[in-house]
This record gives sequence, structure tokens and C-alpha cells, in this order.
Amino acid sequence: AQKVTQAQTEISVVEKEDVTLDCVYETRDTTYYLFWYKQPPSGELVFLIRRNSFDEQNEISGRYSWNFQKSTSSFNFTITASQVVDSAVYFCALLTRDYGGSQGNLIFGKGTKLSVKP
Amino acid sequence: DAGVIQSPRHEVTEMGQEVTLRCKPISGHDYLFWYRQTMMRGLELLIYFNNNVPIDDSGMPEDRFSAKMPNASFSTLKIQPSEPRDSAVYFCASSLGNRDHYGYTFGSGTRLTVV
Repeated sequence: AQKVTQAQTEISVVEKEDVTLDCVYETRDTTYYLFWYKQPPSGELVFLIRRNSFDEQNEISGRYSWNFQKSTSSFNFTITASQVVDSAVYFCALLTRDYGGSQGNLIFGKGTKLSVKP
Repeated sequence: DAGVIQSPRHEVTEMGQEVTLRCKPISGHDYLFWYRQTMMRGLELLIYFNNNVPIDDSGMPEDRFSAKMPNASFSTLKIQPSEPRDSAVYFCASSLGNRDHYGYTFGSGTRLTVV
């Protein structure tokens, strides 16, 4: 079965703190893709990053960084020097290669609500 | 590109009424997805299309829900009759093929309230 677990329901930090959002996934497929999406208070879903299962290199984009570890089936997201504008719900998601199966779709975790206070 | 366009943004309707949600995918995208977001269940896939053909509708909650994609640039999700438990945010998303998996582009969503 495919599953994404975001154990942290809510996190609250003070501006400029670093924060890490955890994501653990389950799949039996050897080829899969992992994503992070941001949902700000306005409600839209904004794509942040995509990673395929063959690329375990960590990635950094400005204040954002992602740590992909296949050994622990984790794809964690760190925001460095958080800002109030980072306040949002963040979703981790899993996509397996084939659309043909009944579960061939983007499976989301429950999300982590991040509140950054000034 | 204008992105995935959904209408209306907000819909308030009375129980028993028919509701139609609309989606225009990104031009050239050959997959279209309808998701529903609720506090209890999070984001769940309702149905998806490939080249206008429904591929998997196992997530459609019951017969009151139906979805169509008459052409590559338009899809509808219809609820008839609507019930209060259908209140949720409905997202449409589109993507290009299953080769590169660049992820889905989501619309802004339709917030449905059934009273």
C-alpha cells in the first residue's frame, strides 16, 4: 500500500528559527516520486519540489532544503531562518510511476500546519 | 499560461440542489484530476482522466457524484442532489503525461458549502 505520514500536525516557531517538517512514506515500487506542496491561508496548492526515487541528493533552494533518505523512507523539509510568510500548511505527497493501477495517483499526507510568529 | 482555472471560487447551495463545478486544465496537459479536501479526510482523489477518458473513479464517494470531460479543455464535477456532508474544497489539477512526473498543477479550488 502507498502511504504518506506527516506526524507533526502543527508546529509553531518564532521568526528566524529553523524548522524541519517530517515526511515518511511507504511504497513497494522502486520507481516513485516525492513532492512537497505549500497551501497558504489563501487556499491554493503551490508546488515546491519534486524528487525521484533514484536521486538521493539533497537539494537547497534559498531558505528551503530537502533531505531525501531512502534507507529510512523519509523526505524531510527544512526552512532556515523562517519568516511570517512561511506560515502555511505543507503537504508531502507520493506518486508512483504508473497511472494504470487504481492507486496510481498523487497521495498526500495529512499536512503540517506551520505558524511563524513575529 | 493562466494555469488551471476553476469556477466558481465559492458556492453556497441548499441541500438537495444540483451543483456543478468547472475546470479548465493547462493547455497541452493530458491528465486531469479532481480532488476533495476536508478536515477529516485531507486531500483525496475523486477521479482522473487521461486524454478525456475517465481512468479511475474509485474515489467518487457515491452515485450522486459524476464527472465529465467532453474535450481537452474542460471538465465538470456534478453533485446531484447535494448534501451538507459534501461541503469541502474541490481542487482540479492537470499534468503532462506520465513520463516525467513534474507534478500536478492545481487550480485555486472551489469552496462548496451545502446548507
